[in-house]
Amino acid sequence: DVKVTQSSRYLVKRTGEKVFLECVQDMDHENMFWYRQDPGLGLRLIYFSYDVKMKEKGDIPEGYSVSREKKERFSLILESASTNQTSMYLCACTEGGYGYTFGSGTRLTVV
Amino acid sequence: DQQVKQNSPSLSVQEGRISILNCDYTNSMFDYFLWYKKYPAEGPTFLISISSIKDKNEDGRFTVFLNKSAKHLSLHIVPSQPGDSAVYFCAASAIWRGAQKLVFGQGTRLTINP
Repeated sequence: DVKVTQSSRYLVKRTGEKVFLECVQDMDHENMFWYRQDPGLGLRLIYFSYDVKMKEKGDIPEGYSVSREKKERFSLILESASTNQTSMYLCACTEGGYGYTFGSGTRLTVV
Repeated sequence: DQQVKQNSPSLSVQEGRISILNCDYTNSMFDYFLWYKKYPAEGPTFLISISSIKDKNEDGRFTVFLNKSAKHLSLHIVPSQPGDSAVYFCAASAIWRGAQKLVFGQGTRLTINP
């Protein structure tokens, strides 16, 4: 089974800081995703990537960017963190089938 | 525009009884549906799924029902156990740019009372 690792479980950042959230998978899966989870809103797709250097906007890409230089690593970047980006961030990957494998999540607090 | 909706934010059920979680969707292009379970401070884990060509799928204590005409699916857990207490997300799948894209509902927090 694939393992998805998110580098930080908890992060506290200041408003205006540039923030990097890292995600690594160990099975060479092509498709990787970044979601954020907020109470009452469920999981909302920020960005996804279906190959190295390829990226597609999800439903809420504003204020975020991504980087995928290697197949196993997909980074989410908050260019200038704001308090409304305080959330749980979840990375996922899939080989192309129907099931996603998620990481444990990063809880980001922007103060 | 919420394409997948879980209208019950929370549900409380007695241990041993049946838990029924509901989900509605609006996009008729969805071809596969999944349920994920999430504990606090962990990522969601896959629970059970159903193809749009079926109306029922069963796996142990978990059964998912799909009513395509009503655009409605439900997850039945019987008997409910304390370890089932978690947030449950319904998800629907559509292919977009060659990748399977999942659209999630808002989640339902299930609490099983001893």
